[in-house]
Amino acid sequence: KQEVTQIPAALSVPEGENLVLNCSFTDSAIYNLQWFRQDPGKGLTSLLLIQSSQREQTSGRLNASLDKSSGRSTLYIAASQPGDSATYLCAVRGANSKLTFGKGITLSVRP
Amino acid sequence: NAGVTQTPKFRVLKTGQSMTLLCAQDMNHEYMYWYRQDPGMGLRLIHYSVGEGTTAKGEVPDGYNVSRLKKQNFLLGLESAAPSQTSVYFCASSPYSLAGIYNEQFFGPGTRLTVL
Repeated sequence: KQEVTQIPAALSVPEGENLVLNCSFTDSAIYNLQWFRQDPGKGLTSLLLIQSSQREQTSGRLNASLDKSSGRSTLYIAASQPGDSATYLCAVRGANSKLTFGKGITLSVRP
Repeated sequence: NAGVTQTPKFRVLKTGQSMTLLCAQDMNHEYMYWYRQDPGMGLRLIHYSVGEGTTAKGEVPDGYNVSRLKKQNFLLGLESAAPSQTSVYFCASSPYSLAGIYNEQFFGPGTRLTVL
């Protein structure tokens, strides 16, 4: 059974810092990995999708990498801003075609 | 485009009552999903559909039923609500996938359900 782990559960950083959010998964037989952002009381917003054949994807200040063989992905946020404060979730789509989610990392960016 | 919409946004039920949650998408997506999100548990798949008229069980299907009579709508039913079904329910959709290249899922805003 696929398990997705995101550690730590919460992170607080000062504004302007570059930061890395980690995601690990136990079964490397995945089709893709997706990073989401969730604001309090809101739905999930897709940030980046990395297909299993890709190594990374970039969107603005965000860069996501995927190392399928080691079961790891990272989400890099450059020059963090208070508006980046949210919960970040990663999810992998496995051989059963379903998404398995991590529990998320709650990020707080202090002004 | 409205994307994925869910109704209602909030609901309070008494144990044993029934209700239906409606999910609608205007992106002509083939696949639709229902998840529940609970503190400390993350998001878990309840049921999903790979096309009009088809449904399948996810990770936690007990106590729920679904129907996909129209491509744009996916209904989640609770026949006899229980306090354990207190949760936030999210609907999602994604386009048809070819050759294992699965596309991203788009989520609705959620329905916050409390069962007393």
